[in-house]
Amino acid sequence: DTGVSQDPRHKITKRGQNVTFRCDPISEHNRLYWYRQTLGQGPEFLTYFQNEAQLEKSRLLSDRFSAERPKGSFSTLEIQRTEQGDSAMYLCASSLFRGSGGPSQETQYFGPGTRLLVL
Amino acid sequence: RKEVEQDPGPFNVPEGATVAFNCTYSNSASQSFFWYRQDCRKEPKLLMSVYSSGNEDGRFTAQLNRASQYISLLIRDSKLSDSATYLCVARTGEKLTFGTGTRLTIIP
Repeated sequence: DTGVSQDPRHKITKRGQNVTFRCDPISEHNRLYWYRQTLGQGPEFLTYFQNEAQLEKSRLLSDRFSAERPKGSFSTLEIQRTEQGDSAMYLCASSLFRGSGGPSQETQYFGPGTRLLVL
Repeated sequence: RKEVEQDPGPFNVPEGATVAFNCTYSNSASQSFFWYRQDCRKEPKLLMSVYSSGNEDGRFTAQLNRASQYISLLIRDSKLSDSATYLCVARTGEKLTFGTGTRLTIIP
């Protein structure tokens, strides 16, 4: 399967614990995005990378959240001191940006998500 | 007010019927628009892009009205396999902004 993969697919943790999720994008894709989706809502943008550079972060990304993409390939999203309100599906997406100069038109392909439950 | 608004439904429609979804967006800086489909407990998948000229892909037709900031999706001859949540999406800069989704169930 050459699509976006995420690990783990499910995570149950206790409030106050730290968790880390991994995303492996489609191999030639230079952009990687993180979204969060809660029940009954659409995905909400958290942050995105172009290669290893983190270019934008949402206000939703509190100080407890950190994302990295150290080698411009896979990415990790860490949540420190988890709270019950962090329970959600964390979705990763990737795309190939060709840098044409105009508004980007590339399609974002989503991974299966990591479902987090904080008890 | 949400940046992308759509009726959450649910829409329960008999097989073979035509169903239409509407969506409005509030950020006039949004430059491109999409419909994504999301099956239960699965990831969103791109259904189609939406253009001002209107575009069709088989039984699906999408339309964008920039003046009204309004997006629509029409599904003709609906199939059982069309049952899903349909997400209206606006792209502003490099991020996608999703609506809450409209849940569609096709009834045999």
